[in-house]
Amino acid sequence: ILLTQSPGTLSLFPGERATLSCRPSQRVDNRYLAWYQHKPGQAPRLLIYGSYTRATGVPDRFSGSASGTDFSLTISGLEPEDFAVYYCQQYDTSPSFGQGTKLEIK
Amino acid sequence: VQLVESGGALVQSGGSLRLSCVASGFDFDDHAMHWIRLGPGKGLEWVAGITWDNKKIDYADSVRGRFTISRDNAENSLHLQMNSLRIEDTASYFCARDIVPAAMTAFEMWGQGTMVVVSS
Repeated sequence: ILLTQSPGTLSLFPGERATLSCRPSQRVDNRYLAWYQHKPGQAPRLLIYGSYTRATGVPDRFSGSASGTDFSLTISGLEPEDFAVYYCQQYDTSPSFGQGTKLEIK
Repeated sequence: VQLVESGGALVQSGGSLRLSCVASGFDFDDHAMHWIRLGPGKGLEWVAGITWDNKKIDYADSVRGRFTISRDNAENSLHLQMNSLRIEDTASYFCARDIVPAAMTAFEMWGQGTMVVVSS
């Protein structure tokens, strides 16, 4: 399953709201979609699994949702540490990642 | 609680390499495990996964037939045997822990990665 993330790059100010999208090439069950944050030189971090469930220790400004065939990650009130690359991942079939969205400071 | 990868190196195209990942601080056999890579200028790519009991093993199409994933629960270790390496296999390879033992789902814990460079 191919996952297409949009936009490729998102430029926002701290404090703003970010909405990242993930569209699969075929239907993905809502139970099988995750989101990750990755900063250069660090290990990726699981944020959301099962489309909606926050992983342990993830702040509640991060939320995941599903609508129709598409999935979204919303970050409400961007903090400086939130600027990173974000990936969606499906596990309805053999795991696969989207190509990533770079969230950068405007 | 950590995962520590090792074995990354510079290798010629067509060569072989074995990566290892040692887990500590948690019950290793309570989790499926995976290898995931990040190539230069590329995004994350899932490479291979193995359930706690070795009953389910799966590979990305890009490495199937060349790479072999294995685990030793007694030694809390995960391995990736990489044969017939190609330039496009150049990447940082991460070991990752699944959130469940008997399926391939989401990756809740990651190592810091080990670098593999394949030269022509």
